[in-house]
Amino acid sequence: KQEVTQIPAALSVPEGENLVLNCSFTDSAIYNLQWFRQDPGKGLTSLLLIQSSQREQTSGRLNASLDKSSGRSTLYIAASQPGDSATYLCAVDDQTGANNLFFGTGTRLTVIP
Amino acid sequence: DTGVSQDPRHKITKRGQNVTFRCDPISEHNRLYWYRQTLGQGPEFLTYFQNEAQLEKSRLLSDRFSAERPKGSFSTLEIQRTEQGDSAMYLCASREGQGRGYTFGSGTRLTVV
Repeated sequence: KQEVTQIPAALSVPEGENLVLNCSFTDSAIYNLQWFRQDPGKGLTSLLLIQSSQREQTSGRLNASLDKSSGRSTLYIAASQPGDSATYLCAVDDQTGANNLFFGTGTRLTVIP
Repeated sequence: DTGVSQDPRHKITKRGQNVTFRCDPISEHNRLYWYRQTLGQGPEFLTYFQNEAQLEKSRLLSDRFSAERPKGSFSTLEIQRTEQGDSAMYLCASREGQGRGYTFGSGTRLTVV
């Protein structure tokens, strides 16, 4: 069964700093990997979707990379802002036949003004 | 595209009562998913529909849980004889097809007292 791990579990940074969130997965046979943001008590907002054939995707200050062979993805956030404070979840859509996403437990980010 | 809608946003119920949640997916999306998320954890898969057919159910979906998607559009998730352990965020998601990204709703927060 696919297992997804996110490190660190929590991160606190001063405003303006660049930061990297890490995600690893155990089975490299994936269709894609998706990064989500979740505010407290809210649903999930999709940030970036990387297909298995892609190496990275960018949206504004966010850049996500994928190294499928090593089972790793990173989410890079440039020039962090207090509004970036949230939990960031990594999810893998794998090819094992399970028609669902496998999630990590998330990284809780706090950006201090 | 109005996104995925879930109703209600919050539900407080007494142990032993039945509850029903509704999800309206994005209209062009034929795949619909239910997930459950407890505090500090990533979402866990419950069940999956392709059009009106329920194709997969997780072992998490005990016999007290039932889900329907009668006309291949909206879906309902019913929990009978609720228990305190059912307290969680119930998330609905939809997507166009295999390998495409997921869009999540805002979730229904269930509290069983």
